[in-house]
Amino acid sequence: QKEVEQNSGPLSVPEGAIASLNCTYSDRGSQSFFWYRQYSGKSPELIMFIYSNGDKEDGRFTAQLNKASQYVSLLIRDSQPSDSATYLCAVNRIYNQGGKLIFGQGTELSVKP
Amino acid sequence: DVKVTQSSRYLVKRTGEKVFLECVQDMDHENMFWYRQDPGLGLRLIYFSYDVKMKEKGDIPEGYSVSREKKERFSLILESASTNQTSMYLCASSPAGGGKNIQYFGAGTRLSVL
Repeated sequence: QKEVEQNSGPLSVPEGAIASLNCTYSDRGSQSFFWYRQYSGKSPELIMFIYSNGDKEDGRFTAQLNKASQYVSLLIRDSQPSDSATYLCAVNRIYNQGGKLIFGQGTELSVKP
Repeated sequence: DVKVTQSSRYLVKRTGEKVFLECVQDMDHENMFWYRQDPGLGLRLIYFSYDVKMKEKGDIPEGYSVSREKKERFSLILESASTNQTSMYLCASSPAGGGKNIQYFGAGTRLSVL
């Protein structure tokens, strides 16, 4: 079992719809969860992070965390063609003085006009 | 704004060459990381460092080494480049602080080894 799992997609949604991206993780001790967006040929950029159970909203983006189910999701409301990208879920693993991120394979999202 | 700068966007090298990939961050971050990214394999951690002159192996360190002589600079070294090291290389940095530190990425270096 991979430490962080995502459906690779592609996930296709029409413009204006809600896109739902899901991620599960295996380490129950994980405490920090991140969503990065990566456009083709570009580097990952952070869009959301969440540390506590529940929902966290930032504009059109909502991150949801359920530690009991080891599940984190990202909702994108009013999806736009510019949201078409690969979305990477990352989970922090504590290591010595710091931490390192374990990334999922990423979910490719395509928003059709 | 956090800035992580990688010295080259594109690099073409020959098999057997020694290759240096440089990364500089301007936010006084303690932690620095090198990843490679390949289609279907995702982001894989090569090496990381939590302090000057300190290094830790990641998941795929074979064929690579690193150097961190100054806090702001973290170099990845391919001692003898091989074709299977053709990839996108990404550098990242984060502040110290354990579990909640956010990693910021450079623009990446696309390396081709011929």
